[in-house]
Amino acid sequence: DTAVSQTPKYLVTQMGNDKSIKCEQNLGHDTMYWYKQDSKKFLKIMFSYNNKELIINETVPNRFSPKSPDKAHLNLHINSLELGDSAVYFCASKDVIGQTNEQFFGPGTRLTVL
Amino acid sequence: GQQVMQIPQYQHVQEGEDFTTYCNSSTTLSNIQWYKQRPGGHPVFLIQLVKSGEVKKQKRLTFQFGEAKKNSSLHITATQTTDVGTYFCAGLRRGSTLGRLYFGRGTQLTVWP
Repeated sequence: DTAVSQTPKYLVTQMGNDKSIKCEQNLGHDTMYWYKQDSKKFLKIMFSYNNKELIINETVPNRFSPKSPDKAHLNLHINSLELGDSAVYFCASKDVIGQTNEQFFGPGTRLTVL
Repeated sequence: GQQVMQIPQYQHVQEGEDFTTYCNSSTTLSNIQWYKQRPGGHPVFLIQLVKSGEVKKQKRLTFQFGEAKKNSSLHITATQTTDVGTYFCAGLRRGSTLGRLYFGRGTQLTVWP
């Protein structure tokens, strides 16, 4: 069973469109993250949620709106897509109480904006 | 600004050669983690170092955490083609919000057979 899953795996869309990416974790973790990875592999944190509450918002444009309906899910909605939004988006989760701070990453969603 | 610096950005080696990537933090860390991302894959946790001066080994991989807990290194002995990928260090700062990690930019390792 996949611990952290994301849908879709690939997303190709036109500039100006609105799209959503979904993430689910079955690890029982309280904390979830969204990262953006650019073409040079740089991993940039975007948001963090703890038990459905937004904790970290790393100066991301407000076209990006995360939503956490429950602690197992963290979705990302993007309005008015721009060329610069093309990247791989990773969801990750972490156990707050655990001994390690290991983050478990999903398989990623490759977003291409044309 | 960049909290954790990682070098080199790229490394190309012949199979059998050794490889090292280095991380430096501008602040003292509570711990440092290392992740590996295979081409087309996602970052996967390798190890966590917590203690000052700690050294841990995983087969051909040796991880070190500096005495001041501001730097770390990953050394791979006798690289194999299966070592190809991007290696990230990620530091946890003291008082960090809910385990927020500061990732280095990664070192992309290519191994020629």
